[in-house]
Amino acid sequence: DVKVTQSSRYLVKRTGEKVFLECVQDMDHENMFWYRQDPGLGLRLIYFSYDVKMKEKGDIPEGYSVSREKKERFSLILESASTNQTSMYLCASTVRSAGGPSITDTQYFGPGTRLTVL
Amino acid sequence: DAKTTQPPSMDCAEGRAANLPCNHSTISGNEYVYWYRQIHSQGPQYIIHGLKNNETNEMASLIITEDRKSSTLILPHATLRDTAVYYCIVRYFNAGNNRKLIWGLGTSLAVNP
Repeated sequence: DVKVTQSSRYLVKRTGEKVFLECVQDMDHENMFWYRQDPGLGLRLIYFSYDVKMKEKGDIPEGYSVSREKKERFSLILESASTNQTSMYLCASTVRSAGGPSITDTQYFGPGTRLTVL
Repeated sequence: DAKTTQPPSMDCAEGRAANLPCNHSTISGNEYVYWYRQIHSQGPQYIIHGLKNNETNEMASLIITEDRKSSTLILPHATLRDTAVYYCIVRYFNAGNNRKLIWGLGTSLAVNP
């Protein structure tokens, strides 16, 4: 079974703090994703990475950065946390798609980190 | 961008079939339909996906209309553990030809004893 783990289930930080959210997957997946989930807005993609040291902006990258130094680990960084970044953060991974619409992109999600910024 | 429309909530009696509808009228010919579910306080879990043909696996069945503008996820014998939010999603290619999934708000399914 694919396992995606996230460093914390619950996290409370203060405005202005630097926050690191860690995600680790054990299935040698090339692609990894960070989402945030807010009531009434659904899941929104922040960043994704398709290889070590590679990253792409998602739909809402502002205020976030990411790091992918090892294939199994994808970190989300809030350089200076703000209250509007209070949210549920979800990490996911998939195998690399070789191209063409017939390749599936089944995403495996971690349990989520509920971050509260005070 | 292909988008999906789902009812915000549904109820189902335990042991009965749960039929969850989804409209995706702007879907294009090479876009797949995916279904995920999210049980409270957990990450989303993949259920099933399809392109044109109906699909079945150990969790559910997916019925896609011939014009592909809508689909139905069927849980044949719903249990209390199937209470969750169910997301119908289509995949699209963004300007950089990267695949992305558009997540809507899903259907909150309540399975009642």
